[in-house]
Amino acid sequence: QLQLQESGSGLVKPSQTLSLTCAVSGGSISSGGYSWSWIRQPPGKGLEWIGYIYHSGSTYYNPSLKSRVTISVDRSKNQFSLKLSSVTAADTAVYYCARARDGSEFDPWGQGTLVTVSS
Amino acid sequence: SYVLTQPPSVSVAPGQTARITCGGNNIGSKSVHWYQQKPGQAPVLVVYDDSDRPSGIPERFSGSNSGNTATLTISRVEAGDEADYYCQVWDSSSDPVVFGGGTKLTVL
Repeated sequence: QLQLQESGSGLVKPSQTLSLTCAVSGGSISSGGYSWSWIRQPPGKGLEWIGYIYHSGSTYYNPSLKSRVTISVDRSKNQFSLKLSSVTAADTAVYYCARARDGSEFDPWGQGTLVTVSS
Repeated sequence: SYVLTQPPSVSVAPGQTARITCGGNNIGSKSVHWYQQKPGQAPVLVVYDDSDRPSGIPERFSGSNSGNTATLTISRVEAGDEADYYCQVWDSSSDPVVFGGGTKLTVL
């Protein structure tokens, strides 16, 4: 079965760039009909969609984060990545990666990784 | 942007039925998906496309969607159902992906 696993730095300094990777196993990231998303959840708060990349390589970002977000894919490693620049304490959150059927539900999700923005 | 409104909390006794609503403008025209999130865990899909259940999700979980309200219904509630529940839609007119604010289900 498909599994997703996030990895990356758990502590980032303010104004720096947050970088995370989602490794996909049990299936190909190049499979048609799916998009690959990043979603975050600040401590004690709800879910916020960050953006996604389609199997074709097209990307779509949350307008509120668009100026700071880049999502890319490495097909040779079967993984996709998130970069969020100019971070502040408000970017402290658990970051999840997830797969979605085109324009539909998110399933499965990675286990999530906590990123703290602090000096 | 499209907004999904959920009650912050719902309480129900074991064995009873819990109904969690998700309000949105003409939400009945969209496909609604529901997620269960227990403390310290990632969200898990429990209902998709308004009323379909992924494999492994008990039949006690069901969904409906009409007009301006979608509803997740949990029958014969168990202590293990205590969790946060989120609704979600895709909205091509604004932010592609929208989540509701979440509802905390408490089993009394």
